[in-house]
This record gives sequence, C-alpha cells and structure tokens, in this order.
Amino acid sequence: SQTIHQWPATLVQPVGSPLSLECTVEGTSNPNLYWYRQAAGRGLQLLFYSVGIGQISSEVPQNLSASRPQDRQFILSSKKLLLSDSGFYLCAWKGPINSPLHFGNGTRLTVT
Amino acid sequence: GNSVTQMEGPVTLSEEAFLTINCTYTATGYPSLFWYVQYPGEGLQLLLKATKADDKGSNKGFEATYRKETTSFHLEKGSVQVSDSAVYFCALSGDGGSQGNLIFGKGTKLSVKP
Repeated sequence: SQTIHQWPATLVQPVGSPLSLECTVEGTSNPNLYWYRQAAGRGLQLLFYSVGIGQISSEVPQNLSASRPQDRQFILSSKKLLLSDSGFYLCAWKGPINSPLHFGNGTRLTVT
Repeated sequence: GNSVTQMEGPVTLSEEAFLTINCTYTATGYPSLFWYVQYPGEGLQLLLKATKADDKGSNKGFEATYRKETTSFHLEKGSVQVSDSAVYFCALSGDGGSQGNLIFGKGTKLSVKP
C-alpha cells in the first residue's frame, strides 16, 4: 500500500532563517506531488506541484521554492523565512486523473 | 473553470443529531467529487468519493450522492458522534490545470457536543 511521510511535524524558526521541509511517498511510482499551505486552520492554497523529477510548477509567487530530486521525494525550501510564512504545510500525492489526493500529516511552521 | 461552494460553518450539533453539510459545484465535463475530513492538528483524509452521476459514496456512516441535475454533493450522517468533530472539505477534480489538482471548498467546522 502507498504511504506518505512528511517531516518535521512542528517547527519554530526565526525570521530570516532557512527552511527545508521534506516529503516522501512509498508504494507508488511517478506520482504527481503537491505542496499546500493552510492558514488559520481552514482553506487550502496550492503552492507547488510536480509531475516528475526536476519538474516544478508554482501556483503563486512567494518566498518559497520546491524541488523534486527523486521520483518520490518533494522538498519545500526557503532561503530566508518571513513572518508571513507561518502556517500549516501539507504535502500530497496523486495517481491517475480523477483519483483522490492523499495527504501527509502536515508540518506546523511558526516563524518568530 | 471548475469551482466548489461549501456551506459556511461552524456547525454545532448534539450527539446523535442528523448532519447535513451542503456542497455545490460548477464544472465542465464529468468531474469526480470528494469529501475530506481533517481532525485537529492532522492532514486531510479522504472520507468518501463519487466518480459519476448518481453514485453514492459512503464511509463511517457518512454518505454523499453525486447529483448532476442539482450540481450538488451534500454530506450526510444520520447520527453524529463527538469523535466526528473535525473540519470537512468538499472537493472536485479540476479542469486539467495544475496537473490534476483538486478544487477544494473552504471547509466546514463541525463540533459535536455530548
């Protein structure tokens, strides 16, 4: 069966520090991968998606970047965090069209 | 493009009450429809899905029927429990943009009191 791992679960970082959140998927090949941010415990905002190694599409301009160095690894990064980067970050993977998204457990990021 | 409208919350019910959370959509083609549940501090979990008109998705006592004539996918449960307290998201498959991303409603927070 397929599983998705996301870490760390919580993170507190000072403004201006770098960020690296990692997500890995097991039990499937060539998944579509996604990073979402959820603000104030509600609404989901799609940040990045990837359909293959090295292929990243950004949905919104921002202080963050994403990379996919391996087929089942998706990384969310920032060189310098802003206060506004605080939120709940969710990684997800998806199979064929019309199939559901499968989410990780999320990372609660607090920028102080 | 495809979009989904979900009833605003929060919704507060007593245990064993009947639950309805409304969801309507606009879409081109024949999207699949989903309900996700998010418990506090966790990621979203797929609750149920329906892939074509008149399909009924069901799981854990929750049900939703894909109604093409009313473009709706309302979530129902006959008798809620305190453990059902969570945020519920309606979603549909997109129109091909963002490589298969789902379009999500804004979520409805449900609180069930004992």
